Amino acid sequence: DAGVTQSPTHLIKTRGQQVTLRCSPKSGHDTVSWYQQALGQGPQFIFQYYEEEERQRGNFPDRFSGHQFPNYSSELNVNALLLGDSALYLCASSVTGTGGAFFGQGTRLTVV
Amino acid sequence: KNEVEQSPQNLTAQEGEFITINCSYSVGISALHWLQQHPGGGIVSLFMLSSGKKKHGRLIATINIQEKHSSLHITASHPRDSAVYICAARAVWDYGGSQGNLIFGKGTKLSVKP
Repeated sequence: DAGVTQSPTHLIKTRGQQVTLRCSPKSGHDTVSWYQQALGQGPQFIFQYYEEEERQRGNFPDRFSGHQFPNYSSELNVNALLLGDSALYLCASSVTGTGGAFFGQGTRLTVV
Repeated sequence: KNEVEQSPQNLTAQEGEFITINCSYSVGISALHWLQQHPGGGIVSLFMLSSGKKKHGRLIATINIQEKHSSLHITASHPRDSAVYICAARAVWDYGGSQGNLIFGKGTKLSVKP
């Protein structure tokens, strides 16, 4: 079992560009959540996907959007990148209702 | 005030010392997680608690639901325990088909010296 895998591991983008990050959940997991972790801070909840729908959303602007596919994998899209979007983006998967969480290694996004 | 508060923010210990990290939360929770994050970013789940106490090797986690407080203890600390330890509260979620999101503390950076 490969666990939760995220790609790419590192990414450098220019302000104003768009980026897509990808997450494959642990086998058997149906819920995917995305978090943003700025340097020196705890992760902040972006949104959660279950049954291909956004179920919950944190305090992030509409520039942040996502998608979940029938195989439960997920994408996080960020449009019109700002310098402040530079962070580690973490994906966590779980089986809904169990309360557990398995994290990927994260994608380090740098916006220049 | 953050919904999940951890203390201390930084902790330096000598090898062999007993370590305690504290977490207080102000929201209703369905579970409380203790996580470990090493440089490079990957997060590993150490414990998920909804009541009482759990032990795994040299790590012990406790939770007091009435006081909304949890502690992570490390006995006989070792330099390989050096990492950031994060407390995260799983919020209660009323709608069927999904679960509450995680609300994270800012983490405790632990450094264990040989």
